[in-house]
Amino acid sequence: GESVGLHLPTLSVQEGDNSIINCAYSNSASDYFIWYKQESGKGPQFIIDIRSNMDKRQGQRVTVLLNKTVKHLSLQIAATQPGDSAVYFCAVWAGGTSYGKLTFGQGTILTVHP
Amino acid sequence: DAGITQSPRHKVTETGTPVTLRCHQTENHRYMYWYRQDPGHGLRLIHYSYGVKDTDKGEVSDGYSVSRSKTEDFLLTLESATSSQTSVYFCAISGIAGGRGDTQYFGPGTRLTVL
Repeated sequence: GESVGLHLPTLSVQEGDNSIINCAYSNSASDYFIWYKQESGKGPQFIIDIRSNMDKRQGQRVTVLLNKTVKHLSLQIAATQPGDSAVYFCAVWAGGTSYGKLTFGQGTILTVHP
Repeated sequence: DAGITQSPRHKVTETGTPVTLRCHQTENHRYMYWYRQDPGHGLRLIHYSYGVKDTDKGEVSDGYSVSRSKTEDFLLTLESATSSQTSVYFCAISGIAGGRGDTQYFGPGTRLTVL
């Protein structure tokens, strides 16, 4: 089955720095990937997604990179702000002809120091 | 929270009692999901629905049942709550176009404590 992992459970950065959060997945048939942000006491909030036919996608201050060769994706946050402090999850949609499911990573805690 | 509400937001109950959690959406999305979130396990799918009266099991469905009589409402029932069901429960929705490969949007969550 699909397993999704994160390289670091916590990440601390200074305000204004760039942050990089990593995620590995195991199923080479996975074809859709999502990053979520979860603040304390709230539900996961969609940040950005990418499909397997792309290597990179950019949003506002965020970039997702997908390396299918090594089954790895990353979330880059530019000019990190204190409001970016949260838990970040990657989620992977397994491929296949039947209904797949979204598998979530454990999460990385991002702390931004002013 | 993408037009998703959950009720109640917090509940404390006793072992053996029935509990029903409600998810309500105003987005007219076809797919609805119930997840539980526990430390060390991340988000795990309990049940999902792909249309009115159409539901299926997720990976941790034992002890839970669901019902969907209207597009906008998805109910999760714990027939006889156990302490192992203490968790935070999230509802999610996706896909006017379909469930596979669609972004899922989450509600604010319900914190359930079973004593």
